[in-house]
Amino acid sequence: AQRVTQPEKLLSVFKGAPVELKCNYSYSGSPELFWYVQYSRQRLQLLLRHISRESIKGFTADLNKGETSFHLKKPFAQEEDSAMYYCALSGSSNTGKLIFGQGTTLQVKP
Amino acid sequence: EAGVAQSPRYKIIEKRQSVAFWCNPISGHATLYWYQQILGQGPKLLIQFQNNGVVDDSQLPKDRFSAERLKGVDSTLKIQPAKLEDSAVYLCASSPYPVTEAFFGQGTRLTVV
Repeated sequence: AQRVTQPEKLLSVFKGAPVELKCNYSYSGSPELFWYVQYSRQRLQLLLRHISRESIKGFTADLNKGETSFHLKKPFAQEEDSAMYYCALSGSSNTGKLIFGQGTTLQVKP
Repeated sequence: EAGVAQSPRYKIIEKRQSVAFWCNPISGHATLYWYQQILGQGPKLLIQFQNNGVVDDSQLPKDRFSAERLKGVDSTLKIQPAKLEDSAVYLCASSPYPVTEAFFGQGTRLTVV
């Protein structure tokens, strides 16, 4: 079964501290992984996708097929990073259907 | 670029009543999705359209939910009759093609009392 697990509902860090939002997935084929973010009172938007292999707003994520993980990392958290983060998977059926994790709230304290 | 538009933003209805949500995708986007997001959970796909054809409706409770996308542009999602467990945010998203970035609307928050 296709599944995305985000084990932490809430992650609270101080400004300037490193951040790692965990994401594990279950999928038998070659999935495409995404991180979506929802800032307060804004719509859900794409943060990054693994095939781009780029850094967005200082965030990076590496797909680890051996550990079936796609953790989101940032070396120095900023207050404006406070938001809800969702990890999502798209299967190889190429329909674009996204399977989301439950989300992690990142709270960056001053 | 104008984003995905949804209306209404909020709706409160009594159980067993019917309700409809409307979505206008980004111009030119062939793929349209309806997701249901229950409080504390991630969005779950209800139905996906490619132009005006259904690609995936495997998780749509078809005894009470229906959706259409006439002329391959706007879409409506209907619930009839509503149950308490239908309380959720209903998100519409669109993309130019499948597997490209999905752009989300602001959602409709439905409360069934």
